[in-house]
Amino acid sequence: DAMVIQNPRYQVTQFGKPVTLSCSQTLNHNVMYWYQQKSSQAPKLLFHYYDKDFNNEADTPDNFQSRRPNTSFCFLDIRSPGLGDAAMYLCATSRDAAGGMNGYTFGSGTRLTVV
Amino acid sequence: AQTVTQSQPEMSVQEAETVTLSCTYDTSESDYYLFWYKQPPSRQMILVIRQEAYKQQNATENRFSVNFQKAAKSFSLKISDSQLGDAAMYFCAYIPNTLGNMLTFGGGTRLMVKP
Repeated sequence: DAMVIQNPRYQVTQFGKPVTLSCSQTLNHNVMYWYQQKSSQAPKLLFHYYDKDFNNEADTPDNFQSRRPNTSFCFLDIRSPGLGDAAMYLCATSRDAAGGMNGYTFGSGTRLTVV
Repeated sequence: AQTVTQSQPEMSVQEAETVTLSCTYDTSESDYYLFWYKQPPSRQMILVIRQEAYKQQNATENRFSVNFQKAAKSFSLKISDSQLGDAAMYFCAYIPNTLGNMLTFGGGTRLMVKP
């Protein structure tokens, strides 16, 4: 089945130690998104890629970076994780930049713990 | 700016009964899509139902149906014959049918189902 896969499911990192979360998709969608979701809150968009074009949300901290080496993969890099960065990180895809009637397809998420 | 409001942080329903989750949104667009997403405790966001703004007919997917009131900018979700597996966070979401716009989520409603 076509899907969005996030690895790892759970990630523990030390305060200040760089960490990378990964997302892959078999849907061949043009757009990939990274969301941060804290407990019982709505997901907050960090950035998205339309093909190779990177689009950062205005309030996304510089501590968060992303890479998309090809259509299938997208990575979220947190350069110096703080305690406040502990959250669920969701990857999503959409066929095109209009979102459209199919909405977004989400991965299962990576729960990041910072110790 | 577009906003999506879910006024019920928590709802509970008895198994086999019907429950309605509320959602209102604010937009100046006329062509857009609305969605309800379900996020169970396993945390993968799953699309439950979608509505196209230019369709007057309310969308229905098995036990899930919506009451779409375009003039009132209201988009409620009705779950009939509630099952234990319906227990989850439910997010209402909106996206205009234009390039470059992102999915906007409401704050979510936690639905509990009592046996």
